[in-house]
Amino acid sequence: GAVVSQHPSWVICKSGTSVKIECRSLDFQATTMFWYRQFPKQSLMLMATSNEGSKATYEQGVEKDKFLINHASLTLSTLTVTSAHPEDSSFYICSARDFAADNQPQHFGDGTRLSIL
Amino acid sequence: LAKTTQPISMDSYEGQEVNITCSHNNIATNDYITWYQQFPSQGPRFIIQGYKTKVTNEVASLFIPADRKSSTLSLPRVSLSDTAVYYCLVGVRQAGTALIFGKGTTLSVSS
Repeated sequence: GAVVSQHPSWVICKSGTSVKIECRSLDFQATTMFWYRQFPKQSLMLMATSNEGSKATYEQGVEKDKFLINHASLTLSTLTVTSAHPEDSSFYICSARDFAADNQPQHFGDGTRLSIL
Repeated sequence: LAKTTQPISMDSYEGQEVNITCSHNNIATNDYITWYQQFPSQGPRFIIQGYKTKVTNEVASLFIPADRKSSTLSLPRVSLSDTAVYYCLVGVRQAGTALIFGKGTTLSVSS
């Protein structure tokens, strides 16, 4: 079945550094991918919609200069957390659906745990 | 805002059938109902999806009444490994449309 892969699964870094998270659709193409953030014991919150070949669409309250999204190909979207601070520590999850098969569900990656010291 | 309402938590014992009901009073004509399961530190995993009546797969059944204002996820004979958060979502089946998550139902299965 369709698989979405995220890398890395866990990142620990110092405050002020930038961190890049990759999201890949392994056996299908996705013109659109989605990035979510999840804090402990809370639900997933949509951060942004990543569009292949164009700018991402950010949800209200999400800083586009803080969370840079690039969707350069039909199988890869990246989320870069710039100048990360402890409050950016969270669980980041991406998702995608096969753009050629609307009857297929959206598939999620296994998430990236980001810890900023 | 999420379009769904479901119980915050449920408790069950191994071997029992668990039914989780989700309310979606404002479901649109083109919306499908989808359920996901999430374990700690993992991404949500697709369980089942339906539009109307009943859908069954190898892990669950989904019951949707004619008015589609609610749906019930049925998990037969749960085990300890079914302890997880279950999310009910409604939305159109278009690749470019994001899923908006509600709070989900935390199911705890005990021995």
